[in-house]
Amino acid sequence: DSGVTQTPKHLITATGQRVTLRCSPRSGDLSVYWYQQSLDQGLQFLIQYYNGEERAKGNILERFSAQQFPDLHSELNLSSLELGDSALYFCASSVSWDRSYEQYFGPGTRLTVT
Amino acid sequence: GQQVMQIPQYQHVQEGEDFTTYCNSSTTLSNIQWYKQRPGGHPVFLIQLVKSGEVKKQKRLTFQFGEAKKNSSLHITATQTTDVGTYFCAGDNYGQNFVFGPGTRLSVLP
Repeated sequence: DSGVTQTPKHLITATGQRVTLRCSPRSGDLSVYWYQQSLDQGLQFLIQYYNGEERAKGNILERFSAQQFPDLHSELNLSSLELGDSALYFCASSVSWDRSYEQYFGPGTRLTVT
Repeated sequence: GQQVMQIPQYQHVQEGEDFTTYCNSSTTLSNIQWYKQRPGGHPVFLIQLVKSGEVKKQKRLTFQFGEAKKNSSLHITATQTTDVGTYFCAGDNYGQNFVFGPGTRLSVLP
């Protein structure tokens, strides 16, 4: 158990819909990262927040957005969902804004878009 | 942009055989990390390498960072069924990008 929690575990929704994925980092960690893992693309870095502020952006689509709240939990919002958005979404946390620090991954949310 | 490649994509070995996966970056890296993801699980941090030519060992696992800091390898001696999973490298190029490789999926036949 990494100490990072993600909800929900599974999500099934239809194309065009909007969903919110939630992540609670390990106690004491200030950085939260979001990753998308699909079969053909490996782990794709989406976005990083540090202490409530956006720190780095990766290959995040405009239909996706995220935020980190004062209690440090984070939410990833996915809208106008397409079939290709079906994937595992991982959240990870670390103590520092520096991405060279060890990241602790949550169990993931499996999103299925039908 | 920065690209990180890993070979092989898949590797099947008999239990007791050795295994090596290679990671290559298109740019010089400030550091490289290795993660392991068991089937159905999440990535778990294994190690970080920072110095040129660095070699680190964890029991049967040996990690190496190339002299030019553009490549790395993970070698497992005498594989066990518990080694099954996908091994990812992740390269950081001085804060500009942090990119995961596509991973090498290892299966170990008992």
